[in-house]
Amino acid sequence: EAGVAQSPRYKIIEKRQSVAFWCNPISGHATLYWYQQILGQGPKLLIQFQNNGVVDDSQLPKDRFSAERLKGVDSTLKIQPAKLEDSAVYLCASTKTGGKAYGYTFGSGTRLTVV
Amino acid sequence: AQTVTQSQPEMSVQEAETVTLSCTYDTSESDYYLFWYKQPPSRQMILVIRQEAYKQQNATENRFSVNFQKAAKSFSLKISDSQLGDAAMYFCALKGSNYKLTFGKGTLLTVNP
Repeated sequence: EAGVAQSPRYKIIEKRQSVAFWCNPISGHATLYWYQQILGQGPKLLIQFQNNGVVDDSQLPKDRFSAERLKGVDSTLKIQPAKLEDSAVYLCASTKTGGKAYGYTFGSGTRLTVV
Repeated sequence: AQTVTQSQPEMSVQEAETVTLSCTYDTSESDYYLFWYKQPPSRQMILVIRQEAYKQQNATENRFSVNFQKAAKSFSLKISDSQLGDAAMYFCALKGSNYKLTFGKGTLLTVNP
């Protein structure tokens, strides 16, 4: 089975510019997550989708971050405008259901550097 | 709110030896799952082992085993016969009724030849 695909793998932008990340989850996985992992810290949940609906975006800085999951498959995460503190790895994960027993399948992430 | 604490930022072990990584957590729930994830330099998080809170028996996956102490809210990972490929960041995580994984800050494991 193909894994969770993310692109780009690396991105360097200047502050105040915009950037977008793409995620393609495992086929049939209804639940999709975006996590932010700042260097030296554990991943922090930004947003959770169930099919194409948002379940939880309480940790998403909505003044600059936005995310969508059209047709319940691919998802994009956008930052506009970027700040220096947005430098991090952005991980996408998916799972078949939201059940407690299921671990997530993660992509390899996008490393964002804001200069 | 649920929290996960990993108090060891870094650990090292000699190849073929055994190492234990510590994790404590806090939750008001009685039904939850605990996980250990491995993150190598490739950045992809890989599930190592999981434990259901209702099961008293400690989970084991080949060279990886856990010591789950529910009353103490402790969930340590033991790696036996350490191999060079075990070198990575290890994250402890908890999933409760909100179905979301909450991670600790991680432990960087170095394996010395």
